[in-house]
Amino acid sequence: DAKTTQPPSMDCAEGRAANLPCNHSTISGNEYVYWYRQIHSQGPQYIIHGLKNNETNEMASLIITEDRKSSTLILPHATLRDTAVYYCIVGGTSYGKLTFGQGTILTVHP
Amino acid sequence: EAQVTQNPRYLITVTGKKLTVTCSQNMNHEYMSWYRQDPGLGLRQIYYSMNVEVTDKGDVPEGYKVSRKEKRNFPLILESPSPNQTSLYFCASSLFGQGSYGYTFGSGTRLTVV
Repeated sequence: DAKTTQPPSMDCAEGRAANLPCNHSTISGNEYVYWYRQIHSQGPQYIIHGLKNNETNEMASLIITEDRKSSTLILPHATLRDTAVYYCIVGGTSYGKLTFGQGTILTVHP
Repeated sequence: EAQVTQNPRYLITVTGKKLTVTCSQNMNHEYMSWYRQDPGLGLRQIYYSMNVEVTDKGDVPEGYKVSRKEKRNFPLILESPSPNQTSLYFCASSLFGQGSYGYTFGSGTRLTVV
């Protein structure tokens, strides 16, 4: 599976959009980009995933560059409850390994 | 409610005393997996199972065993726990592996081995 690079931490004001970047320059053509988040020590929560096209669901939007070497997770109106560690993961067409990196600690403040 | 259930949530045990952490999912998922999470090391995969009677090692399988006799259950067995297995453990399940589906994680089991 390809590796990902994320900033260790980011801040965001409540009500504003949070844009979390992820670099995955070694991604292969059949690998998906997944985003999860973990609040405190709870189980990671799936947010969104995509292959080539931009995706949107009730939680977030995922923007994947045309060359697929990077992506951005967008939380359109961040709330205090969005404070968490956000993980960008690449992989998935084969069964098995789901490799988490260190993620980005997003802090949303009032 | 669709969920992955782990038990117990907290466990303190002594070195060498065999223990089992249970994991059950009610979503008819083929794929299940175990992870441990340690400060500075992130989440690391221990074992995974693609379906009943099919299991394989992840990144850190030493000291652990698993079994998949039924689709819904995937217990993690520590036959002789040691202090370095003190960790936060998560079970996860998915339909057809990660593929084009996301994983559902359990709430975690915090294990302390003294």
